[in-house]
Amino acid sequence: EVQLVESGGGLVQPGGSLRLSCAASGYNFSPFWMHWVRQAPGKGLVWVSHMNGDGTTIRYADSVKGRFTISRDNAKNTLYLQMNSLRVEDTAVYYCTRDRGHPDAFDVWGQGTMVTVSS
Amino acid sequence: EIVLTQSPGTLSLSPGERATLSCRASQSVSSSYLAWYQQKPGQAPRLLIYGASNRATGIPDRFSGSGSGTDFTLTISRLEPEDFAVYYCQQYDSSPTWTFGQGTKVEIK
Repeated sequence: EVQLVESGGGLVQPGGSLRLSCAASGYNFSPFWMHWVRQAPGKGLVWVSHMNGDGTTIRYADSVKGRFTISRDNAKNTLYLQMNSLRVEDTAVYYCTRDRGHPDAFDVWGQGTMVTVSS
Repeated sequence: EIVLTQSPGTLSLSPGERATLSCRASQSVSSSYLAWYQQKPGQAPRLLIYGASNRATGIPDRFSGSGSGTDFTLTISRLEPEDFAVYYCQQYDSSPTWTFGQGTKVEIK
């Protein structure tokens, strides 16, 4: 079964850091572009960042540029999101998701991990 | 950046009725790089339609997508109880940013 499982969310104070992980299983991880998408409580979906299979192409939404860093370890079938200088407005459920065949739709989603930024 | 506007915000219908959801783009989405997702409370989104009109794996044929350019439609031919959810459109034409619409909630009347 193709699966993505996120972890690493939690409560952090403004200005703090968190590292999210997304473990992939059931498919060959390395060729696929991967994305992070977030959803603030009661709000819609917002694309955050993506990375291609070998890590040579990376993009960020303007709202997180300079603060978040996406990375991957293909040997461990894992995608990461390092989040620094967190703000209250970063509070959201963070989903990792797989791109069908870049550029293409997102066909596999993790269950999400909640990040709460609050003092 | 391509902005997607979905309408209506909420659609109140009964099981068995037909649902028509609209997604309008601020500029043309080439190659029909338009997808639709379903999201139920507490769950991750699920891909329904890609390439504007192609059903994803395992999606029932009561779901259909159509449109091109700036106007796209998701149709649910006969609503089943499990179809009441929020639906999002997404464009993946305007790389390197992907944008979603604000969502349409389909609720039981």
